[in-house]
Formats: sequence, structure tokens, C-alpha cells
Amino acid sequence: DTEVTQTPKHLVMGMTNKKSLKCEQHMGHRAMYWYKQKAKKPPELMFVYSYEKLSINESVPSRFSPECPNSSLLNLHLHALQPEDSALYLCASSQDRSMWYTFGSGTRLTVV
Amino acid sequence: LAKTTQPISMDSYEGQEVNITCSHNNIATNDYITWYQQFPSQGPRFIIQGYKTKVTNEVASLFIPADRKSSTLSLPRVSLSDTAVYYCLVGDIGGNNRLAFGKGNQVVVIP
Repeated sequence: DTEVTQTPKHLVMGMTNKKSLKCEQHMGHRAMYWYKQKAKKPPELMFVYSYEKLSINESVPSRFSPECPNSSLLNLHLHALQPEDSALYLCASSQDRSMWYTFGSGTRLTVV
Repeated sequence: LAKTTQPISMDSYEGQEVNITCSHNNIATNDYITWYQQFPSQGPRFIIQGYKTKVTNEVASLFIPADRKSSTLSLPRVSLSDTAVYYCLVGDIGGNNRLAFGKGNQVVVIP
């Protein structure tokens, strides 16, 4: 299995909702990432997990809460989001300390 | 990570070879050069990585001059399906897992 699977593919949520994005990989990668991408912009790094521990938080607001339950799964918990948080959220994985990332197809999030 | 500079966009005709340039003047000794391709509403896809001279795989070639301050991604005989944004990234592969994307280069292949 050489894929990163993200669910759901699309999500519409209200500003008072709580939702979660899920990401799964079975390549044995020990680093996993969340990126946010707005239209016509490059992906922006949000969080990095290395060996299931949060190693990088790029000053992301607390309404985004990452979780890594095990080496294959990565979640992003969402609460009280703003309309400007609407974007494509991308999950990626890699071997530790590698620049060869495998990205999922993303979750298209719309906050209304 | 070393900062990269790429042209914003370029057009090419189907069947031609496309050369996409990237400038990275402050590349460090331990840095590698990595290229990604991204189609609309999909995640980026790893294309190729190199340190110096030339690297070739089934998809593309990467040319890196001796001073390593720039690199060129070469796509042979492009098709319409090669229309995408191409990102050049520079970083230490033994670093801290912080892969930062620059603005990228929108390549449009014209029939």
C-alpha cells in the first residue's frame, strides 16, 4: 500500500460544530503532517508528528487540534472554526527526516 | 530551509520538452533539491530529488550546476495532463521534517 487516505473528501461545517479529519497510511512511515492550502496558494505546514509525538506546531490556532493515535493514523480535530479556515487540508507521511513525502488527496473544508 | 524562486507561470505546446527553472542562491552544503507536482484539488506528488549534476527517472530529469545555486526540472515531450503547478524545494534531508513550499510554477500545456 503506497497511499495516504484522507476522509472525508468534502466537509461542510458550521462555526459552532465539532468535526474531525482523518488520515491513514500503511507504508511504515514514522513522520506524518498536516498542511492547509488555500486556493491558488502553496500548501502551508501546520503540524508535524515524528514517531507519534508532536514535533512541530507552526503557531496554529487552538481551534485546530491534532492527534496521532498510532503510527498509521493522524487526526485533525476542528472546533469553532471561522469561514476563513475554509481550505483544502492535506495529510502527508514520510520516512523520518526525508523530503520524499506522500500526500493524500485532501479534505475540502467549507466553514459556513 | 533555503528559499527558492521560480517563475510564476509558463506555457508550453504539447509534445515539446519543458524546462522549469528554480533559483536557490543560499543553498547549504547539506541541502538536497526536491521537486513536486500538484494537480488541482489533489495533494502534491514527489517527482525527483537530487544533490548535484544530473538525476533522471521515468518521469523527469533534474539538472544541477556545479555551484548548486539553481536547478532545472526537465519534462520530456509534455502532454496536456502535465498541466500542473511544479514546486521546487531545498532542504537538509537529515533535518527536522519541516518541508516548506514556495509559490511554485504554474505550467500550462497547450494543444
